[in-house]
Amino acid sequence: DAGVTQSPTHLIKTRGQQVTLRCSPKSGHDTVSWYQQALGQGPQFIFQYYEEEERQRGNFPDRFSGHQFPNYSSELNVNALLLGDSALYLCASSHGGAQETQYFGPGTRLLVL
Amino acid sequence: DQQVKQNSPSLSVQEGRISILNCDYTNSMFDYFLWYKKYPAEGPTFLISISSIKDKNEDGRFTVFLNKSAKHLSLHIVPSQPGDSAVYFCAASGETSGSRLTFGEGTQLTVNP
Repeated sequence: DAGVTQSPTHLIKTRGQQVTLRCSPKSGHDTVSWYQQALGQGPQFIFQYYEEEERQRGNFPDRFSGHQFPNYSSELNVNALLLGDSALYLCASSHGGAQETQYFGPGTRLLVL
Repeated sequence: DQQVKQNSPSLSVQEGRISILNCDYTNSMFDYFLWYKKYPAEGPTFLISISSIKDKNEDGRFTVFLNKSAKHLSLHIVPSQPGDSAVYFCAASGETSGSRLTFGEGTQLTVNP
């Protein structure tokens, strides 16, 4: 049973560029959440997708957008990259209900130069 | 507004002894709490959780205690092993925030042989 997978593992971009990160949830899970983890901090919630719609959103600008596909996989897009967007981006999947444990992928390390 | 706090950035213990990691929260609407362990270059791994209707949950060497009146939870690891050395994150969710997780800043646990 494959766990949560993410691609790519590492990415280097320059300021102003756009990036797309991908996530496949754990088998049987229908909800995908995205988190940003800056160095030395805990993960910060970006948004959550369920039934192909954004269900919740954290305190992130509109430059951060996402999508969920019918097979429950998801993409995170970031436009007009800033140096401060450099972080580890984590995807987590779950059944989506309250008090459902979220399982994380290995993350994508994004460096913006 | 840091709603989940882990005030100890690091903890060092001897192999075989007890490790106690602490976490405080301010949002009284949180009703589900989780602990994750994170190794470098990997995503967070789920360890153990507890619902607010309980005050203790045990799984092998790991026990989580919840004190709702003090808005405090702790993770006990007994006995500690060198392989437990990692960053430990406390996370919380609540009915009003859906299944989004709010994380603490993490505690680096080092278990010395």
